Amino acid sequence: EIVLTQSPGTLSLSPGERATLSCRASQSVSSSYLAWYQQKPGQAPRLLIYGASSRATDIPDRFSASGSGTDFTLTISRLEPEDFAVYYCQQYGNSPRTFGQGTKLEIK
Amino acid sequence: EVQLLESGGGLVQSGGSLRLSCAASGFTFNTYAMSWVRQTPGKGLGWVSGITASGGTTNYADSVKGRFTISRDNSKSALYLQMNSLRAEDTAIYYCARDPFYQGELLSDYWGQGTLVTVSS
Repeated sequence: EIVLTQSPGTLSLSPGERATLSCRASQSVSSSYLAWYQQKPGQAPRLLIYGASSRATDIPDRFSASGSGTDFTLTISRLEPEDFAVYYCQQYGNSPRTFGQGTKLEIK
Repeated sequence: EVQLLESGGGLVQSGGSLRLSCAASGFTFNTYAMSWVRQTPGKGLGWVSGITASGGTTNYADSVKGRFTISRDNSKSALYLQMNSLRAEDTAIYYCARDPFYQGELLSDYWGQGTLVTVSS
């Protein structure tokens, strides 16, 4: 199965700053079938990005993502207070679908 | 509004059984594949099982194959997960999720709030 490694484990930033999160795959992700989710405490994961770079429904444009092959990036251009959460990447092109271990984005 | 509401979690002894349910609303249930995903503090998120819209095809993670059974009742807009021979490592929050096709592959776009399963050894 494809192993996804996210970095950093924790990212401490202030509102208004730019956040860059990384997701690296152990092998190439088919057709950029890479998604990003946001999860807040006590809540279910929320789909942010699919197809490596396409925003899901109602996701603000301060969220953007890029990448292909084995290296993917999620960028939040200007952090809002509600953006502080845990972010997970997931590949869904190979079975089984697998997730990264998450990056916690915390307020500095 | 898409809503998924899991139930049936609880505390069970190792070797025991539980049946999880997921009540779906806000979308045409019988046109979507569905899945179960679990989350633990130690291992994070992990896909458990999936089922096609008709219920005709099911898939399982290797770790639960032969012990868990996914099913659905489209007349009731309900998804189920029968869990037998439970182990301590099955302890997790279990989420049901809706799985539409995104660019040709299934991807979970809406998730329920989860139900906690605790297996005591």
